[in-house]
Amino acid sequence: GENVEQHPSTLSVQEGDSAVIKCTYSDSASNYFPWYKQELGKRPQLIIDIRSNVGEKKDQRIAVTLNKTAKHFSLHITETQPEDSAVYFCAASIRNNDMRFGAGTRLTVKP
Amino acid sequence: GAVVSQHPSRVICKSGTSVKIECRSLDFQATTMFWYRQFPKQSLMLMATSNEGSKATYEQGVEKDKFLINHASLTLSTLTVTSAHPEDSSFYICSAGPMGGNEKLFFGSGTQLSVL
Repeated sequence: GENVEQHPSTLSVQEGDSAVIKCTYSDSASNYFPWYKQELGKRPQLIIDIRSNVGEKKDQRIAVTLNKTAKHFSLHITETQPEDSAVYFCAASIRNNDMRFGAGTRLTVKP
Repeated sequence: GAVVSQHPSRVICKSGTSVKIECRSLDFQATTMFWYRQFPKQSLMLMATSNEGSKATYEQGVEKDKFLINHASLTLSTLTVTSAHPEDSSFYICSAGPMGGNEKLFFGSGTQLSVL
């Protein structure tokens, strides 16, 4: 089955700096790659997703890039703010019932 | 986005009792829902796929007699933790997607289960 690895496990940045989180996946058939933000004790919230027919997608301060050949995708957050502090999970799937999540990255944005 | 409701948000029970957790899709129909378990500071581990009108599909290592899943309607799936023990204490969370296929998944708010 699919195996998703995520790095780093923790990331601390200064407010205003950029943050990058990277994930790799094992199954070349995976075609859907969402990113979720989870605040402590709350539900994961979908923040951006990308499909395998697209190399990059942007939504305001958030962008995701996908390299199908290398089987890795990354989340980029620019101009970070303290409210960006949370745990971020990447995921990869072919179908929803085989979606696998990365281990998560705890992002801390220091004011 | 679509709304998935999960209840209760927190439950404390005695060892040996059973606990039922409900997951509802409020503004869409979901033929498939997913149940996860999340330990503190860890990732979401898929436990089972709940299929409306048929048996749930369990991930390897998940006891189907321990974690009973019922998906009786297109908007409701329930997870029952039977004969709960302290090691079952965890954060349980469900998800569903409006399209059913490989589309966006939305999560319930989770249930923190504490077994004494």
